[in-house]
Amino acid sequence: KAGVTQTPRYLIKTRGQQVTLSCSPISGHRSVSWYQQTPGQGLQFLFEYFSETQRNKGNFPGRFSGRQFSNSRSEMNVSTLELGDSALYLCASSLYPRSVNEQFFGPGTRLTVL
Amino acid sequence: AQSVTQPDIHITVSEGASLELRCNYSYGATPYLFWYVQSPGQGLQLLLKYFSGDTLVQGIKGFEAEFKRSQSSFNLRKPSVHWSDAAEYFCAVGGGGADGLTFGKGTHLIIQP
Repeated sequence: KAGVTQTPRYLIKTRGQQVTLSCSPISGHRSVSWYQQTPGQGLQFLFEYFSETQRNKGNFPGRFSGRQFSNSRSEMNVSTLELGDSALYLCASSLYPRSVNEQFFGPGTRLTVL
Repeated sequence: AQSVTQPDIHITVSEGASLELRCNYSYGATPYLFWYVQSPGQGLQLLLKYFSGDTLVQGIKGFEAEFKRSQSSFNLRKPSVHWSDAAEYFCAVGGGGADGLTFGKGTHLIIQP
């Protein structure tokens, strides 16, 4: 069974631009969570989607948003990029929402904001 | 609010020596506890998890962890490390609530030959 895939793996943007990251969960998994990883703040929960609905959200500004499609694939969008948004963005999938006990992580998308 | 503390930012261990990585957590109810490993350029791989029952948990790659409720700790151990164990290790806590997983800042493990 294929794992969680994330595209693109690397991305370079400039301040003020917007970016969209994609995550394809493990087949059959319906819940997708997103995390931001930075050297200063570590790993932080962004949000979780299940059945095309955002179930919960971490403490991030409204510039960070996401969505989930009927095939469970998820995208996250960051608008008006800031230098501090440079990070590794990790996606994790699980069968059910809030199933922190069975989350499987993708390799991440490395975003660099110049 | 839930939180995780990993007191050691870096640990250096000789190959073949034993390893213990410390993790302390704060959580209002019975926690779910996890250890993940991250190699450079990779995502997170689950090493082991604790939900309930036996407080000594066995994981992959020869790792184990012990849950001590009285000390709010969940330390990771391995009797003999290999050079391939060099990586970043994260302890995490979650309870199936609305906040996803809360991670510690990580411990960077260096293996000396």
